Amino acid sequence: RKEVEQDPGPFNVPEGATVAFNCTYSNSASQSFFWYRQDCRKEPKLLMSVYSSGNEDGRFTAQLNRASQYISLLIRDSKLSDSATYLCVVNPHNFNKFYFGSGTKLNVKP
Amino acid sequence: GAVVSQHPSRVICKSGTSVKIECRSLDFQATTMFWYRQFPKQSLMLMATSNEGSKATYEQGVEKDKFLINHASLTLSTLTVTSAHPEDSSFYICSAVGGDWGYTFGSGTRLTVV
Repeated sequence: RKEVEQDPGPFNVPEGATVAFNCTYSNSASQSFFWYRQDCRKEPKLLMSVYSSGNEDGRFTAQLNRASQYISLLIRDSKLSDSATYLCVVNPHNFNKFYFGSGTKLNVKP
Repeated sequence: GAVVSQHPSRVICKSGTSVKIECRSLDFQATTMFWYRQFPKQSLMLMATSNEGSKATYEQGVEKDKFLINHASLTLSTLTVTSAHPEDSSFYICSAVGGDWGYTFGSGTRLTVV
């Protein structure tokens, strides 16, 4: 079983839509969780950390469900510029190793 | 913020030659650096963890003699792909632990072996 699993998508949504992605992780002892954004052929960039209490940054909301071992990312009022691949990242044991999901591709269309 | 510089951004080499990729932390000391590989439409896969002054730790299935990692200083780690073959063509990305947040990616190197 993979450490981190994501629906690859693509999610095709119109501008202004609300879209949500989930990501499941296998190690219940995982400590840290993040969402990264990766544009085509570019390096991943940190979008936001995911805290136990949830985290909101503008149109983006990230949540953690430890009981069901998943994290979610909600994007409200989608913009064309939100089109990218969103990577779920989990740190299972300590700060020195991270596992990436395969990414969920989002296409926001006019 | 923390910046990690990775060079070259693109490289094309002939089969059988070696290629060196550099990863530098510009404004912080990186005690640990990671090297990832990403094939098209796939996720980043951790290849190895590099700690300054010690041998790199390789993930299962990654040949340490083929992917040589050197982390001789707190600001520089290098990955050398030895005797490269077309199947080694990939996007290689480094990341470094350090700085304010602690985990920063380089811009990546697209390697094409012909």
